[in-house]
Amino acid sequence: DAGVIQSPRHEVTEMGQEVTLRCKPISGHDYLFWYRQTMMRGLELLIYFNNNVPIDDSGMPEDRFSAKMPNASFSTLKIQPSEPRDSAVYFCASSSGGGKFDTQYFGPGTRLTVL
Amino acid sequence: AQSVTQLDSHVSVSEGTPVLLRCNYSSSYSPSLFWYVQHPNKGLQLLLKYTSAATLVKGINGFEAEFKKSETSFHLTKPSAHMSDAAEYFCVVSDLGGAQKLVFGQGTRLTINP
Repeated sequence: DAGVIQSPRHEVTEMGQEVTLRCKPISGHDYLFWYRQTMMRGLELLIYFNNNVPIDDSGMPEDRFSAKMPNASFSTLKIQPSEPRDSAVYFCASSSGGGKFDTQYFGPGTRLTVL
Repeated sequence: AQSVTQLDSHVSVSEGTPVLLRCNYSSSYSPSLFWYVQHPNKGLQLLLKYTSAATLVKGINGFEAEFKKSETSFHLTKPSAHMSDAAEYFCVVSDLGGAQKLVFGQGTRLTINP
């Protein structure tokens, strides 16, 4: 299996621009998670989906952030408009089953820099 | 809410010596606990997880962790460090709220000296 795939791996953009991050989960996994990693706040959960439906978006920082999962093999995280404080590494993860012992498998991350 | 505290932000050991990365958790219920490793510019990889079946959990690459309820600890150990172990390590607890809302510790950076 190829694992969780994220694109792009690096993104540099200017403040005010729209940014779209993409994720392909492991085939057969029914949960998908988006995380953000910063020096100040560490790793934090933004949103997660079950069977393509958003279940909990309480970690999404503000309305500039949105996430979609149009099908079982694709999800996007969009920031519009982007701001310098959005600079971070964004990880996507997927898992099979929602039990508390189920393992989340992480992608390599997208490093976003907003100038 | 559940939380984890990693007691050391940075640990430095010599190659071939034991490794100890400390983690304390806070939980009102029986927690699920994980250790993940992140190598530079890479994603997170699961090292091991506590599933309540056994208090001593063995993971990949020779790592293991012991769940101690009385001490609310889940320390990660390895008998002999290897240069390839240099990375960031995260202790993680699964939140009660729904499926797998993982709560991460702040991480411990492990440096291996030759």
